[in-house]
Amino acid sequence: DADVTQTPRNRITKTGKRIMLECSQTKGHDRMYWYRQDPGLGLRLIYYSFDVKDINKGEISDGYSVSRQAQAKFSLSLESAIPNQTALYFCATSDPGTTNNEQFFGPGTRLTVL
Amino acid sequence: QKEVEQNSGPLSVPEGAIASLNCTYSDRGSQSFFWYRQYSGKSPELIMFIYSNGDKEDGRFTAQLNKASQYVSLLIRDSQPSDSATYLCAVNGRSGGSNYKLTFGKGTLLTVNP
Repeated sequence: DADVTQTPRNRITKTGKRIMLECSQTKGHDRMYWYRQDPGLGLRLIYYSFDVKDINKGEISDGYSVSRQAQAKFSLSLESAIPNQTALYFCATSDPGTTNNEQFFGPGTRLTVL
Repeated sequence: QKEVEQNSGPLSVPEGAIASLNCTYSDRGSQSFFWYRQYSGKSPELIMFIYSNGDKEDGRFTAQLNKASQYVSLLIRDSQPSDSATYLCAVNGRSGGSNYKLTFGKGTLLTVNP
């Protein structure tokens, strides 16, 4: 089945460490997104990419960077992790060929920064 | 600032009842509207989308859209305990950069009691 995968699924790290979260998809979608989810705050967009050469900041990009290595791969980096980046992180994809922009989500990465 | 507002809940209904979930949005030019279901610790999964005024039915689920009132709702008939989850309303913006991005509400927690 075409799918969206995220690695790692769980990560515990310390303040100041560099962390990379990876997302891969076999759906053939051009558009990819990174969200974080915090209790009571819903899903908030960090970065999005509409193709390999296109990277855009979302509403909460400070402290994060991304790399779109290929159509199928979109990585999120925390250059120097801090405790308030503890959250559940989701990658999502969508197909530009659809008019409604349905997004498909990966299983999530639970990140804890101590 | 585009906003999507949902009652945070929790909403508690008995098994077999109708659950009604509501969402309002601020961007009058929004094009399409989604309801995602998210079980605790899991990723959001799409259950309904709607882009025309009126009702759209899919099994036990009915989405209702009123663009004049900037209001979208989800009705779940014959609620089952397995429907217990957080329901996220998401709105796709109008053209010009905000298109193809979704803005999510904070979600409504639904509990269906046996």
